[in-house]
Amino acid sequence: GQQLNQSPQSMFIQEGEDVSMNCTSSSIFNTWLWYKQDPGEGPVLLIALYKAGELTSNGRLTAQFGITRKDSFLNISASIPSDVGIYFCAGQLANAGKSTFGDGTTLTVKP
Amino acid sequence: EAGVAQSPRYKIIEKRQSVAFWCNPISGHATLYWYQQILGQGPKLLIQFQNNGVVDDSQLPKDRFSAERLKGVDSTLKIQPAKLEDSAVYLCASSLRRGPDTQYFGPGTRLTVL
Repeated sequence: GQQLNQSPQSMFIQEGEDVSMNCTSSSIFNTWLWYKQDPGEGPVLLIALYKAGELTSNGRLTAQFGITRKDSFLNISASIPSDVGIYFCAGQLANAGKSTFGDGTTLTVKP
Repeated sequence: EAGVAQSPRYKIIEKRQSVAFWCNPISGHATLYWYQQILGQGPKLLIQFQNNGVVDDSQLPKDRFSAERLKGVDSTLKIQPAKLEDSAVYLCASSLRRGPDTQYFGPGTRLTVL
């Protein structure tokens, strides 16, 4: 089945720094999604990408759908303490609602 | 708009016991998903319902796991008998329709099997 490789596995940064994480797949997806999960909660959608090459922003977050449709990245600018959490990428195929998730990037922000 | 509700939030059982989880999706959402999230990993789909029919249960260990969505609204996921490796968070999600669409997740049920 499809597998997503997400990197880095964890990041420790200072407040105010920018963050970049990415996700690669062995197969093509039609939709890329980025989620954030806080302890004891379910994942919350941050950004959805629907077209190869698409670059989408949501506040301090920017994500891009790779042109090969096999990768995506997420950038967080000027990190703040509440950015702490686990960030997951997920891919969806056309006509299939289920998402295949990566294993997450754990972000720690030091004040 | 109320989110996806799940209960219980936590459950501790011994191996070989049975357990059931309940999910109430967002009103009007036709598609419902159950995911298993093992510590340190991303969620993995167990089963997907479209209304009250199963769309995908290819990853569901059918010898011990079962799920139903009677009347196309609430859903229950059952494990019988439980094994140690079933310790995980079980997440329910719903979306308005099948196909690439925003999935809204519930808070999950954390299961510990001793």
